[in-house]
Amino acid sequence: KQEVTQIPAALSVPEGENLVLNCSFTDSAIYNLQWFRQDPGKGLTSLLLIQSSQREQTSGRLNASLDKSSGRSTLYIAASQPGDSATYLCAVRPGGNAGNMLTFGGGTRLMVKP
Amino acid sequence: EAQVTQNPRYLITVTGKKLTVTCSQNMNHEYMSWYRQDPGLGLRQIYYSMNVEVTDKGDVPEGYKVSRKEKRNFPLILESPSPNQTSLYFCASSRNADTQYFGPGTRLTVL
Repeated sequence: KQEVTQIPAALSVPEGENLVLNCSFTDSAIYNLQWFRQDPGKGLTSLLLIQSSQREQTSGRLNASLDKSSGRSTLYIAASQPGDSATYLCAVRPGGNAGNMLTFGGGTRLMVKP
Repeated sequence: EAQVTQNPRYLITVTGKKLTVTCSQNMNHEYMSWYRQDPGLGLRQIYYSMNVEVTDKGDVPEGYKVSRKEKRNFPLILESPSPNQTSLYFCASSRNADTQYFGPGTRLTVL
């Protein structure tokens, strides 16, 4: 059974720092991996989707990488801002027939201090 | 506007009283899912559907039912709610195995 782990569980940084959030998964037979942002009490907003054949995806100050063989993905946030404060979740979708059975990590709660 | 909507957003009910949480998407997506989110346990998938009349169990299906009679709707049914089903529920949809879009959530309390 796929297990997804995110470390650290919480992170506090001063504004302007570059930071890396980690996501690891136990079964490398994935179809894709998605990073989300969740604000308190709100739904999830998709940030980046990486297909299993891709190594990275970029959107603005965000860059996500994927190393399928080692079961790892990272989300890099450049020049962090207080508005980046939120919980960041990664989720993997299984390979094979690309089922809809997603497995989520526990999330990293990020606080960016002004 | 492309979106996933859920109703109600908040619900307080009592044990055993059947309820339905509706989910609708206007993006013509094939895939739809229901999740629950609990402190310390994260997001767990309850049921998912890959198309009309095709549904399957996720990690925590016990006590829930779903149906997918139309492409846009995927209601979650609790036939006899219990206090351990108190949670924050999310519906999501995607075009096949592509980016998932989430609804705003339904906060359910079962007394």
